[in-house]
Amino acid sequence: NAGVMQNPRHLVRRRGQEARLRCSPMKGHSHVYWYRQLPEEGLKFMVYLQKENIIDESGMPKERFSAEFPKEGPSILRIQQVVRGDSAAYFCASSPVESSYEQYFGPGTRLTVT
Amino acid sequence: RKEVEQDPGPFNVPEGATVAFNCTYSNSASQSFFWYRQDCRKEPKLLMSVYSSGNEDGRFTAQLNRASQYISLLIRDSKLSDSATYLCVAPPGGNLIFGKGTKLSVKP
Repeated sequence: NAGVMQNPRHLVRRRGQEARLRCSPMKGHSHVYWYRQLPEEGLKFMVYLQKENIIDESGMPKERFSAEFPKEGPSILRIQQVVRGDSAAYFCASSPVESSYEQYFGPGTRLTVT
Repeated sequence: RKEVEQDPGPFNVPEGATVAFNCTYSNSASQSFFWYRQDCRKEPKLLMSVYSSGNEDGRFTAQLNRASQYISLLIRDSKLSDSATYLCVAPPGGNLIFGKGTKLSVKP
């Protein structure tokens, strides 16, 4: 059973470009969570999605950031017009339906904005 | 007050030592608690859940004190491989709220 998969593992973007981060949950998991970790900081919740639904986006910045989890395919976290402050590790986690607290994390995508 | 607070450390201990971390949480509505472990530049991994009655898994013991709103993690007979950052999690609702973590370094 493959774990949570994220790609790319490393992404470099220039200021103003768009960044797309992908996350495929573990098989059988229908809940996806995105977190951001700035250097030397803790994990910050961004958004919680189920298939075709955003359940909680209270941690998402109001502008430039969006997330989706379509019926088919991976979850996508999109950052438009990236700025240097967006440089961070972005982790995706998934959980089974019956236990949203039991989350399994992917290896993360390290975004560097130059 | 932050929702979850931890002593950032670092805790530098020799192999074989016993070390304990505490984590305080502010939301009394939190019902479930967890410890995660994060190695440098890696993803967090669930270490153990924390139950009201305490939870022991080998060298690791987790305890919950609801009255004082803190959870603890005790590691006995520390190994070099225990070196990592330990994250406390206290979700008030459906989402995990992570502490910044306590860094542990076990030296030979």
